[in-house]
Amino acid sequence: DADVTQTPRNRITKTGKRIMLECSQTKGHDRMYWYRQDPGLGLRLIYYSFDVKDINKGEISDGYSVSRQAQAKFSLSLESAIPNQTALYFCATSDFAGASGYTFGSGTRLTVV
Amino acid sequence: KNEVEQSPQNLTAQEGEFITINCSYSVGISALHWLQQHPGGGIVSLFMLSSGKKKHGRLIATINIQEKHSSLHITASHPRDSAVYICAVGVDSNYQLIWGAGTKLIIKP
Repeated sequence: DADVTQTPRNRITKTGKRIMLECSQTKGHDRMYWYRQDPGLGLRLIYYSFDVKDINKGEISDGYSVSRQAQAKFSLSLESAIPNQTALYFCATSDFAGASGYTFGSGTRLTVV
Repeated sequence: KNEVEQSPQNLTAQEGEFITINCSYSVGISALHWLQQHPGGGIVSLFMLSSGKKKHGRLIATINIQEKHSSLHITASHPRDSAVYICAVGVDSNYQLIWGAGTKLIIKP
């Protein structure tokens, strides 16, 4: 099994629908992140969590919410999807200070029509 | 101006060539990361550097803190090295990353 698992891998949804992307990890890391990747742009941080009770907004949190259900689970929700949220979404984990690097999920390709 | 800039944006080379990808940054950093994104989309950490040089197989990463510059080198390049290589810098004690836009590398057989 992958260290960081994202579901679904691909999703097409309609404008205005609520959608949840899920992420689970077996690394035992406290820190988890949700990133968005658009063509030609670097990854942009949506939300991050340093432990179950610590959730923080990233640079592009508007239109998104998250839930850290357990150390191993971090889900991202789009409350009312819009077409410009079409992107590739990555979940990642790291240990404290990222000393062991970052571990990424395989990504979720989301299309909002 | 972006805080992390990579060059070149695109690089095409022949198999066996020595490859250099550059990363310059304008902020104070805790560490610098090099990552590889495969054509299928998956992202893998290659190196984390705070000083000096690291080597793993045919990959070498160097960093010059004074010049705020890092390079990723690939020796004896192979078509399987074709990927997007991403530089990211860790800033502040909470260790958030600022990402470069990536360098798309194509190695032709």
